[in-house]
Amino acid sequence: DIQMTQSPSSLSASAGDRVTITCRASQTIRNYLNWFQQKPGKAPKLLIYAASSLQSGVPSRFSGSGSGTDFTLTISSLQPEDFATYYCQQSYSAPYTFGQGTKLEIK
Amino acid sequence: EVQLVESGGGLVQPGGSLRLSCAASGFTFSSYAMAWVRQAPGKGLEWVSGISDSGGRTYYADSVKGRFTISRDNSKNTVYMEVKSLRGEDTALYYCAKDLYSGSGSTVASWGQGTLVTVSS
Repeated sequence: DIQMTQSPSSLSASAGDRVTITCRASQTIRNYLNWFQQKPGKAPKLLIYAASSLQSGVPSRFSGSGSGTDFTLTISSLQPEDFATYYCQQSYSAPYTFGQGTKLEIK
Repeated sequence: EVQLVESGGGLVQPGGSLRLSCAASGFTFSSYAMAWVRQAPGKGLEWVSGISDSGGRTYYADSVKGRFTISRDNSKNTVYMEVKSLRGEDTALYYCAKDLYSGSGSTVASWGQGTLVTVSS
């Protein structure tokens, strides 16, 4: 199975900050990488698919990049509603494994 | 609007079985792959199983292979998961999710609210 490793595991930031979360795959997954946001008590929400494609309805301050084994999710200017946990997931080969999550907290 | 409503969860003893259901509406069900993703209390997401649009191809996480079976009834717009030989580590909120595509349940864009499975004696 492909292992997905996110860093950092947690992150403190302030509204308006630019934030980057990284995700590394244990083998190449080309651009088959998705990013999700999850708020407490809620189902996850797809933000980015195919490494850099913005899901419909997601604000443009979210962006994704990378290919092969290394990927990043960037939030250009944090808004109060962005404080949540973020997960990457590979969609290259089953089982479609998730990273362990990055908890983004208010500084 | 896409709606996914899970049911069938509950308290079950180790070794027991359940059938989870997910009723879908708001889209052409037979055109999309579906998946189940679970989340143990306080833990991260784990992709569990996926099924193609026709139901002809199924996929499983190693942790559930041989114990869980995913299926779908396109005439009823419903996806199922039979869960057997349950263990404590299967305790989780089980989400039903709709893929962006027809293929394998790899890229899930819409999620239900989940059904809780608790395995305990």
